[in-house]
Amino acid sequence: DVKVTQSSRYLVKRTGEKVFLECVQDMDHENMFWYRQDPGLGLRLIYFSYDVKMKEKGDIPEGYSVSREKKERFSLILESASTNQTSMYLCASSQPTGSSYNEQFFGPGTRLTVL
Amino acid sequence: AQKITQTQPGMFVQEKEAVTLDCTYDTSDPSYGLFWYKQPSSGEMIFLIYQGSYDQQNATEGRYSLNFQKARKSANLVISASQLGDSAMYFCAMRSASGGSYIPTFGRGTSLIVHP
Repeated sequence: DVKVTQSSRYLVKRTGEKVFLECVQDMDHENMFWYRQDPGLGLRLIYFSYDVKMKEKGDIPEGYSVSREKKERFSLILESASTNQTSMYLCASSQPTGSSYNEQFFGPGTRLTVL
Repeated sequence: AQKITQTQPGMFVQEKEAVTLDCTYDTSDPSYGLFWYKQPSSGEMIFLIYQGSYDQQNATEGRYSLNFQKARKSANLVISASQLGDSAMYFCAMRSASGGSYIPTFGRGTSLIVHP
């Protein structure tokens, strides 16, 4: 059974803290994505990675960084958390780009609250 | 640039009735793919159905069908015989080769509530 897992379902952090959100997939997918989901705004892409150590900025990368040291793991880092980063964070993976078909497989999401 | 528009923030339907969720898209690429995902209250996004831009027939998956009208750039999701478990957020998404990469773009979603 294919799976994308995220390290936490719920997380509460304080303003200024460094926050790590981890995502692991077991499908040997090359592409991995981090999205932020807010009510009424849909999913907005923060960063994606198409290979180990490769990353590309998405639509809203400010305040975030990512790390992909191994193919199966993609981490999202909030260097200094702020209250406006309170949101639901979704990780996804898919087969390589170059084909329009490839569906994304999503993790269960992490609901982050920054106080 | 590619864009997805879902104009219905919320929809209500009676159990066992059919419902159509609207999705329009915009892209200049001739090759693209359209997806629908379901997100229950648990939060996990579930892939429902896919339609390729060159597919001649509308995609179907069980009770889900995609009403693809290429000239109108619409890709509406039709759910037949609604069930209480269909209550969820539904997202339309598109992947095309804009900018040289197939990065998906999502709409803002439609909340569907199925009444008993």
